[in-house]
Amino acid sequence: QQQVKQSPQSLIVQKGGISIINCAYENTAFDYFPWYQQFPGKGPALLIAIRPDVSEKKEGRFTISFNKSAKQFSLHIMDSQPGDSATYFCAAAGNYGQNFVFGPGTRLSVLP
Amino acid sequence: DVKVTQSSRYLVKRTGEKVFLECVQDMDHENMFWYRQDPGLGLRLIYFSYDVKMKEKGDIPEGYSVSREKKERFSLILESASTNQTSMYLCASMGQENFFATNEKLFFGSGTQLSVL
Repeated sequence: QQQVKQSPQSLIVQKGGISIINCAYENTAFDYFPWYQQFPGKGPALLIAIRPDVSEKKEGRFTISFNKSAKQFSLHIMDSQPGDSATYFCAAAGNYGQNFVFGPGTRLSVLP
Repeated sequence: DVKVTQSSRYLVKRTGEKVFLECVQDMDHENMFWYRQDPGLGLRLIYFSYDVKMKEKGDIPEGYSVSREKKERFSLILESASTNQTSMYLCASMGQENFFATNEKLFFGSGTQLSVL
């Protein structure tokens, strides 16, 4: 029940295309859903996050879509750029932010 | 600029050695974490600490221990390193919003790639 599933494992997109990464969770106690971006040789960094009281959050080219009934959420990267090439982790947290569970990660490659 | 610093980027140790991984944060954060990152498994929590001298087990604490003697420093200890502990180790910190809740933003260090031969 603590697991967060993430797909695909890897993704190749052409420059200017849309990248979509999907995640699913089981534990209904989760109330915070962040996405972390990790470049090679660096630690993950918070990219964007959403709470279950909204169905979508947009920050620039990055959008989270959230489906509470299906217990699924996804990251959409519009107009993908080679600089977006990184590993993306979805996560879910509850218990006032002291209990983060991460997905296995998606390696995104954006071709020039 | 906020910073979480891990003492070593790469570390090579032999089976049975005692290994110390050090982490320092400069943000005065109450909460500190040690994660292990393996391909296809994501980030798995080893231990976390919400205050000096306090520690809580995460999902995979076996074979590890931690120490937090000062607020800014959190150490991960492998008492007797084994080959299955070869991995990337990530330290993170997070502030506290109020008594009950964190501010939910993890700041990660750049990681220590540990190889146990």
